[in-house]
Amino acid sequence: DVKVTQSSRYLVKRTGEKVFLECVQDMDHENMFWYRQDPGLGLRLIYFSYDVKMKEKGDIPEGYSVSREKKERFSLILESASTNQTSMYLCASYDRAATNEKLFFGSGTQLSVL
Amino acid sequence: AQKITQTQPGMFVQEKEAVTLDCTYDTSDPSYGLFWYKQPSSGEMIFLIYQGSYDQQNATEGRYSLNFQKARKSANLVISASQLGDSAMYFCAIQGSSNTGKLIFGQGTTLQVKP
Repeated sequence: DVKVTQSSRYLVKRTGEKVFLECVQDMDHENMFWYRQDPGLGLRLIYFSYDVKMKEKGDIPEGYSVSREKKERFSLILESASTNQTSMYLCASYDRAATNEKLFFGSGTQLSVL
Repeated sequence: AQKITQTQPGMFVQEKEAVTLDCTYDTSDPSYGLFWYKQPSSGEMIFLIYQGSYDQQNATEGRYSLNFQKARKSANLVISASQLGDSAMYFCAIQGSSNTGKLIFGQGTTLQVKP
């Protein structure tokens, strides 16, 4: 069974802290994504990666960076957390070899920045 | 650029009745795919149904069907015989022709099924 695992379900951090959100997939997928979900705005793409060490900005990359040192792991980094980054963060992976394949999502990390 | 619009923030339906969740889209890609996901209160994103832009027939998956009207750029989700477990947030999304897997999502519709 395919699996995308996000390390934390709930996270509370303070303003200015450096925050790491981790995501691991066991499907050998090339592409991985970080989305942010806010009420009334749906899911918005922050960054995605199409290979190890390769990344591309999504629609709202400001205030975030990413790291992909290994194929199975994609990390989202908040360099200096701010209260407006309080949100649900969803990681997803995609099998580029398949056609019209769906995204596989992790269960999400609810981040609160105080 | 691609865009998805879901104009119904919240919907109610009586158990065992059918319900339609609206979705309109905009894209300049000649080929694209449309997806619907369900998100229960647990937060997981559950894939429901997919429609390709060149598919001749409307997609169906069990109690879910997609009313695809290409000329109107709409891809409404129809849920037949609603169940209490259908209460959730529903997202429509579009994927372009680049095969990156990147999805653009709508704002979502919260569906509540009444017993």
